[in-house]
Amino acid sequence: DQQVKQNSPSLSVQEGRISILNCDYTNSMFDYFLWYKKYPAEGPTFLISISSIKDKNEDGRFTVFLNKSAKHLSLHIVPSQPGDSAVYFCAASDTNAGKSTFGDGTTLTVKP
Amino acid sequence: NAGVTQTPKFRVLKTGQSMTLLCAQDMNHEYMYWYRQDPGMGLRLIHYSVGEGTTAKGEVPDGYNVSRLKKQNFLLGLESAAPSQTSVYFCASSYLTPYGTDTQYFGPGTRLTVL
Repeated sequence: DQQVKQNSPSLSVQEGRISILNCDYTNSMFDYFLWYKKYPAEGPTFLISISSIKDKNEDGRFTVFLNKSAKHLSLHIVPSQPGDSAVYFCAASDTNAGKSTFGDGTTLTVKP
Repeated sequence: NAGVTQTPKFRVLKTGQSMTLLCAQDMNHEYMYWYRQDPGMGLRLIHYSVGEGTTAKGEVPDGYNVSRLKKQNFLLGLESAAPSQTSVYFCASSYLTPYGTDTQYFGPGTRLTVL
């Protein structure tokens, strides 16, 4: 029973266009959501997060949207750059439990 | 400030051998975690610790043991390695805020192959 799902294993976009990565969750106890970015042969690094009391959080080119009723979040990257090519993991956290559950990741390729 | 470091970076074991992976963090974080990542899959939590001297099981704890004797170190042990434990292992740490735990900081990973 996978509690956090990223249904698209891969996504390819043209440089300058928008990248939209999606994530669905099933556990209503999750109250904090994060996106991590991972390059090959490196550990994941934190990208952006959103609390369940918000529906949008923006940081430069990156925006995360949360739809609690649909248990869905998305990451928008505008404009996409070749350096954004990486694996993106969605994570959901029950902050009282002190741990996160990760999706399987989406590999983003941004073509020049 | 080194962040989260992992030792070793690579290791090859034979079935039945034992080893210990070391994770160290210099950020004074309370929480530490061990994950494994298999091809095409996400990060699966093996064990975690909410403070010095405490450990708890994650999603996939079988075949692994952990210890947190010092706040800055979190050790992952394999008592009798099996080929199914071939994976990339990541350690992470996070700090506690008044609202719960925050983002995790990851080490560079340890690539383990069990023959």
